[in-house]
Amino acid sequence: SQTIHQWPATLVQPVGSPLSLECTVEGTSNPNLYWYRQAAGRGLQLLFYSVGIGQISSEVPQNLSASRPQDRQFILSSKKLLLSDSGFYLCAWSMGLENTEAFFGQGTRLTVV
Amino acid sequence: DQQVKQNSPSLSVQEGRISILNCDYTNSMFDYFLWYKKYPAEGPTFLISISSIKDKNEDGRFTVFLNKSAKHLSLHIVPSQPGDSAVYFCAASMNYGGSQGNLIFGKGTKLSVKP
Repeated sequence: SQTIHQWPATLVQPVGSPLSLECTVEGTSNPNLYWYRQAAGRGLQLLFYSVGIGQISSEVPQNLSASRPQDRQFILSSKKLLLSDSGFYLCAWSMGLENTEAFFGQGTRLTVV
Repeated sequence: DQQVKQNSPSLSVQEGRISILNCDYTNSMFDYFLWYKKYPAEGPTFLISISSIKDKNEDGRFTVFLNKSAKHLSLHIVPSQPGDSAVYFCAASMNYGGSQGNLIFGKGTKLSVKP
């Protein structure tokens, strides 16, 4: 069966510090991978998606970047965090086929102080 | 511009009664719709989905209805249970232009089921 791991669960970082959140998927090959952010009053906002190694699409301009160094690894990064980067970040995967659901990790609560 | 709208931020229902959560969308290219349930500090979990070729899909206590002409879908939970208390997200996707699988979410509706 497929599983998705996301870490850390919580993170407190000072403004201006770098960020690296990691997500890995097990039990499937060539998944579509996603990073979402849940912010108050805005629901789940798609930040990045990837259909393959090294292929990253950004949905919104922001202070963050994503990378996919391996088939089942998706990393969310920032060189310098802003206060506005605080939020609940969720990694997800799907088969990228028609009419399939996405499966989410447990999320990372990021607080920038 | 929000393509998927959940206009009720919260809903309170008595245990045993029906919960109806509503969702509207603006993009007629959406052809697959999903409902997710989310508890605090956890990732959303998939609940039920419906393809645009159907108008109803049922799974146990959960039924999703789709009205394409009105660009409206709803999730019915019957009977509601206290464990159903969570935030429910409506999501939509379109299988077009390389966007397969990208889900567009609404803002969510917080359901509280009172014993």
